[in-house]
Amino acid sequence: GENVEQHPSTLSVQEGDSAVIKCTYSDSASNYFPWYKQELGKRPQLIIDIRSNVGEKKDQRIAVTLNKTAKHFSLHITETQPEDSAVYFCAGGSQGNLIFGKGTKLSVKP
Amino acid sequence: DAGVIQSPRHEVTEMGQEVTLRCKPISGHDYLFWYRQTMMRGLELLIYFNNNVPIDDSGMPEDRFSAKMPNASFSTLKIQPSEPRDSAVYFCASSLSYSPGFTPLHFGNGTRLTVT
Repeated sequence: GENVEQHPSTLSVQEGDSAVIKCTYSDSASNYFPWYKQELGKRPQLIIDIRSNVGEKKDQRIAVTLNKTAKHFSLHITETQPEDSAVYFCAGGSQGNLIFGKGTKLSVKP
Repeated sequence: DAGVIQSPRHEVTEMGQEVTLRCKPISGHDYLFWYRQTMMRGLELLIYFNNNVPIDDSGMPEDRFSAKMPNASFSTLKIQPSEPRDSAVYFCASSLSYSPGFTPLHFGNGTRLTVT
């Protein structure tokens, strides 16, 4: 089955800097890679997703890249703000079988 | 759209008791998922349904766990008997399939279960 590894587990940046979170997956059949943000005590919420037929996707300060050959994908947050502080989860798989990484706790210091 | 609705939000019970968690998916969604979240193991997929039929329950930890989806608008996750190691946040999520792709998971607010 699919296995998703996520790094780093914690990340601290200064406000305005960029943050990068990386994930790898094992199943070459996986074709969907979403990223979720979870604030303390709340539910995970989708922030961006990418499908296997696309190499890069951007939404304002957030971008995701996918390298199918190497089986890894990354989340890039530019111009970080204190409200970006949360736990971020990557996931990989297909409809009905989405496996999540262990999460990255991002802290943005003012 | 009210989103995915889970109840109760919090559940505290004693070891050995039966626990039932409830979920109402977003209307029209044909996939329903149960996840468990702990600090040690992160978000684990327990079971998922498609059109009310269980498709994959390989993530269910043991026979003490069972899940049902009697109709398109309701699902339950039952633990009997409960144990302290079952303490976690249980999330229900739903999504909609369409051709050629699919829609993202929408999570409920979760049920925080504490077994003493």
